[in-house]
Amino acid sequence: LAKTTQPISMDSYEGQEVNITCSHNNIATNDYITWYQQFPSQGPRFIIQGYKTKVTNEVASLFIPADRKSSTLSLPRVSLSDTAVYYCLVGEGGLTGGGNKLTFGTGTQLKVEL
Amino acid sequence: ETGVTQSPTHLIKTRGQQVTLRCSSQSGHNTVSWYQQALGQGPQFIFQYYREEENGRGNFPPRFSGLQFPNYSSELNVNALELDDSALYLCASSLWQGSSYNEQFFGPGTRLTVL
Repeated sequence: LAKTTQPISMDSYEGQEVNITCSHNNIATNDYITWYQQFPSQGPRFIIQGYKTKVTNEVASLFIPADRKSSTLSLPRVSLSDTAVYYCLVGEGGLTGGGNKLTFGTGTQLKVEL
Repeated sequence: ETGVTQSPTHLIKTRGQQVTLRCSSQSGHNTVSWYQQALGQGPQFIFQYYREEENGRGNFPPRFSGLQFPNYSSELNVNALELDDSALYLCASSLWQGSSYNEQFFGPGTRLTVL
């Protein structure tokens, strides 16, 4: 499974856009990029997933360059409630692939202040 | 539709004891995975069950075992507890229908402390 590297921590203020970049130099052709969010003493929660280019949903955008060796999670106008750990995961989808066997790194601790 | 639930929320055991953790999958889901999360670390995959059969295992010793029942609820059993087993144990369920990705829904976890 591809190894991911992301910053240990980031600080921001309410109303700002936050971009968290993840490096995955060894990503394989069949690998998808998925981001999860985790609050203290809770299970991780799926945010967004993509394969290439740009994906947007109601909470975030995911930017993936053509070489797919990195990806950037973009959180628009963060609030205090976005303070959490964000995990970047790379793996093959499907039951027999890695899609259901998620490999988490240590994540990025995002702290949002007033 | 109810989400993933786990019991108990907290548990304290002593070294050498055995423990059983329980998970109730989200309604309609046929796949369950278990993860161990040590303090300050990301969750580590233990194993996965699909339709009551083990379908993948992480780097955990055999004293970690599991079951999935016909109603898709699940158990994680850990024998001969060690101090390093102290962690948050997470259960995640999903519905596999042959698509390329199956979003996993995590429960709140069980905090196990081994003394």
